[in-house]
Amino acid sequence: KAGVTQTPRYLIKTRGQQVTLSCSPISGHRSVSWYQQTPGQGLQFLFEYFSETQRNKGNFPGRFSGRQFSNSRSEMNVSTLELGDSALYLCASSFGGTGVSETQYFGPGTRLLVL
Amino acid sequence: DQQVKQNSPSLSVQEGRISILNCDYTNSMFDYFLWYKKYPAEGPTFLISISSIKDKNEDGRFTVFLNKSAKHLSLHIVPSQPGDSAVYFCAAVRTGNQFYFGTGTSLTVIP
Repeated sequence: KAGVTQTPRYLIKTRGQQVTLSCSPISGHRSVSWYQQTPGQGLQFLFEYFSETQRNKGNFPGRFSGRQFSNSRSEMNVSTLELGDSALYLCASSFGGTGVSETQYFGPGTRLLVL
Repeated sequence: DQQVKQNSPSLSVQEGRISILNCDYTNSMFDYFLWYKKYPAEGPTFLISISSIKDKNEDGRFTVFLNKSAKHLSLHIVPSQPGDSAVYFCAAVRTGNQFYFGTGTSLTVIP
């Protein structure tokens, strides 16, 4: 079956603009998590959505927000972009069962460059 | 607060030899651990996982070892191949599906 897809793959924005990234999870997966990857920082957890509700949240400012739709597709929005927001943004999906730890599967990422 | 740490940013190994990647964690509430492999400009690919009730899991050339008392996780690749050259991330999960990732180890397998 199809893997996790993310659009767009590449994006160039300028400081102060806002951006919306999209993620479609694997069919049947209801949990979508978002991560930011910058050089030397590994994968920093942004937030997780399950059944259209934010279930977990990392330590990012309020400029970073997300939402999930009834078909489990998720969007991430960053407002008032800063140069430091340049990164690879990854989303990952899983079945998301409560009380169970399970594998997340990643999409290819969206490379955001802020000028 | 980095709850999962990979203290070696890079590792070089000769083709055919064993690669050992290490990972330490601080939270005893983690109950599931995973290794991911990542090539540049791609998303991480799931490699192998282990539950906290086990101390070893093997899948072909890849073996993950878990030492709960030491809060230490390792990935063994035997034999190493040039195609294994990539960045490897370890991850730890708490029930509730919150993942914590290490900063990655860049493995280079020299032909």
